[in-house]
Amino acid sequence: SLELTQSPSMSVSPGQTATITCSGDKLGNYFTSWYQQRPGQSPILVVYQDSKRPSGIPERFSGSTSGDTASLTISGTQAMDEADYYCQTWDNSAWVFGAGTKLTVL
Amino acid sequence: QVQLLQSGAEVKKPGASVKISCKASGYTFNSYTIQWVRQAPGQGLEWMGWVNPGNTKTRYSQKFQGRVTISGDTSASTAYMELSGLRSEDTAVYFCARLGSSCFDFWGQGTLVTVSS
Repeated sequence: SLELTQSPSMSVSPGQTATITCSGDKLGNYFTSWYQQRPGQSPILVVYQDSKRPSGIPERFSGSTSGDTASLTISGTQAMDEADYYCQTWDNSAWVFGAGTKLTVL
Repeated sequence: QVQLLQSGAEVKKPGASVKISCKASGYTFNSYTIQWVRQAPGQGLEWMGWVNPGNTKTRYSQKFQGRVTISGDTSASTAYMELSGLRSEDTAVYFCARLGSSCFDFWGQGTLVTVSS
């Protein structure tokens, strides 16, 4: 079954750009979504269908895919963006999540 | 506005079953599937299965097949997830979510299930 690989953690300075990646065989076969989860809270959808942004999500969040890698880019990162980020896709009749990337803003 | 309101925390003994509810509002309940996802302490998100309230069809993750039952009550706009044969490893926060455009666009607040003797 498909496994989605994410780096466990990364850090970024406020105002800089953070790029979180998600890789997996055949990732390009279906759309990728990205979720933000702050401690003790439910996940929030920040990107869907690879690159679309839901209503209410700041423009600094963007998504893209290239081959078997999907990326979530946060431009002008703010302290409030510190959270866990999960990628997700569909494969073989099941939804699959990446293990998550903990983004630290410092 | 779309809301998914889940039932409260549960404490169960090993071997017992738990049934969690997820009440939907702000949209036509029959028109979207409800997904269930769990998150063990300090761990990532794990998909469990879904129900299509419009036709009652379900699909489960192979990992939970045989132990999980997901259902929907259209008259109450509520979905349910029942997990049986609980063990300590099932201690987790359980979320319901709505399937939107190839994504889970709205999530419930989560229900903590603690399995302990």
